[in-house]
Amino acid sequence: DSGVTQTPKHLITATGQRVTLRCSPRSGDLSVYWYQQSLDQGLQFLIQYYNGEERAKGNILERFSAQQFPDLHSELNLSSLELGDSALYFCASSVAQGTPQETQYFGPGTRLLVL
Amino acid sequence: AQTVTQSQPEMSVQEAETVTLSCTYDTSENNYYLFWYKQPPSRQMILVIRQEAYKQQNATENRFSVNFQKAAKSFSLKISDSQLGDTAMYFCASQGHSGGSNYKLTFGKGTLLTVNP
Repeated sequence: DSGVTQTPKHLITATGQRVTLRCSPRSGDLSVYWYQQSLDQGLQFLIQYYNGEERAKGNILERFSAQQFPDLHSELNLSSLELGDSALYFCASSVAQGTPQETQYFGPGTRLLVL
Repeated sequence: AQTVTQSQPEMSVQEAETVTLSCTYDTSENNYYLFWYKQPPSRQMILVIRQEAYKQQNATENRFSVNFQKAAKSFSLKISDSQLGDTAMYFCASQGHSGGSNYKLTFGKGTLLTVNP
């Protein structure tokens, strides 16, 4: 158990819908990262938050957004869902950034299926 | 930009034997970290081992060790005394530490390792 929690574990929805994925980082970790794992794209970085502020963006679609709250949990919002958004979405957390302790620990993931 | 290449999509090994997974990377940064993550059938991403690029000594974690060749930009993973529980997809990843957007992990496409009894 990495200490990172993600809910829900599984999500089945229809095209055009909106869903919210939730992540709670390990105790003491300030950074949260979101990754998408799909068969065709592999593991891709979406976005990073550090202590409530957005720090970096990767291949995140405009239909997707995220935020990190004062208690450091994070939510990834996916809207106008398409079949191609079906994937495993991981959240990872780390102590800070730019420190020797900069190892990312992954949550169990949320498996999203868009029908 | 960072790129990570794993040239072996699949490998297999007999239980108790040793296997080496290959990884090459490309980065323009001077300070970076390299990782091997394991993803068993449960799909959980589990950290196996990490290496700081500024350290010449190869990292080891029990049966897992790396061969880090900085000049060649090579970072291979050796698994000794392979066990059935080592069956998983193994991902090589790099992470920059020069600020900005470089803290993300860049992953290779993975190597599926099967340990046979």
